[in-house]
Amino acid sequence: SQTIHQWPATLVQPVGSPLSLECTVEGTSNPNLYWYRQAAGRGLQLLFYSVGIGQISSEVPQNLSASRPQDRQFILSSKKLLLSDSGFYLCAWSAQGNYGYTFGSGTRLTVV
Amino acid sequence: DAKTTQPPSMDCAEGRAANLPCNHSTISGNEYVYWYRQIHSQGPQYIIHGLKNNETNEMASLIITEDRKSSTLILPHATLRDTAVYYCIVRDNYGQNFVFGPGTRLSVLP
Repeated sequence: SQTIHQWPATLVQPVGSPLSLECTVEGTSNPNLYWYRQAAGRGLQLLFYSVGIGQISSEVPQNLSASRPQDRQFILSSKKLLLSDSGFYLCAWSAQGNYGYTFGSGTRLTVV
Repeated sequence: DAKTTQPPSMDCAEGRAANLPCNHSTISGNEYVYWYRQIHSQGPQYIIHGLKNNETNEMASLIITEDRKSSTLILPHATLRDTAVYYCIVRDNYGQNFVFGPGTRLSVLP
C-alpha cells in the first residue's frame, strides 16, 4: 500500500534561518507531488506541485522553493525564513492523471 | 478561486445524520465533486467523490442533484469524532489541482 511521510512534525525556527522540509512517498512510482500551506485559521493554499523529477510549478510568489531530486521525494526549502512563513505545511500525492490526493500528517512551523 | 460555496459552520447532534450542502453552479461536464475533511491539526482526509450518480462508501453518502449544480454529503450517524472542517471541491481528472475553499466547520454535539 502507498504511504506518505513528512517530517518533522513540529519546528520552531528563528527569522532569517534556513528551512528544509522533506516528504517521501512509498508504494507507488511517478506520483504527482504537492506542497500546501495553511496559515492559522485559514484555508489550504497550494504552494508547489510536481509531475516528475526536476519538474516544479509554483502557484504563488513567495520566499520558499521546492525541489524533487528523486521520484518519490519532495523538499520544501527557504534560505531565510520570514515571520509570515509560519503555518501548517502539508505534502500530498496523487496518481498520475488523477484522482484524489492523499495528504501527509503535516509540519507545524513557527518562525520566531 | 474555489468553485464551490459552503456554509461556514453547522451543528449536528451525536447519532443524527449530518447533511452538508455544497453549491457548484458553474461545474462543467467533466468535473467531479470531491469531499475531504480536516480534523484539527491533521492533514485533510479523503471522504468520497462522484460525477453524477449518487455514491456511498463506508464513511458517507454523496447525493448530487440531477443538474449537478449542488450536492450534499451525508454522514448517516454522526459521532463526536466527525467534528472537522469539511471541504467540497470540484475538479476534473485531466490535471487540475485541488483548490480548497474555507469549507464547513461541522461540530457534532453530545
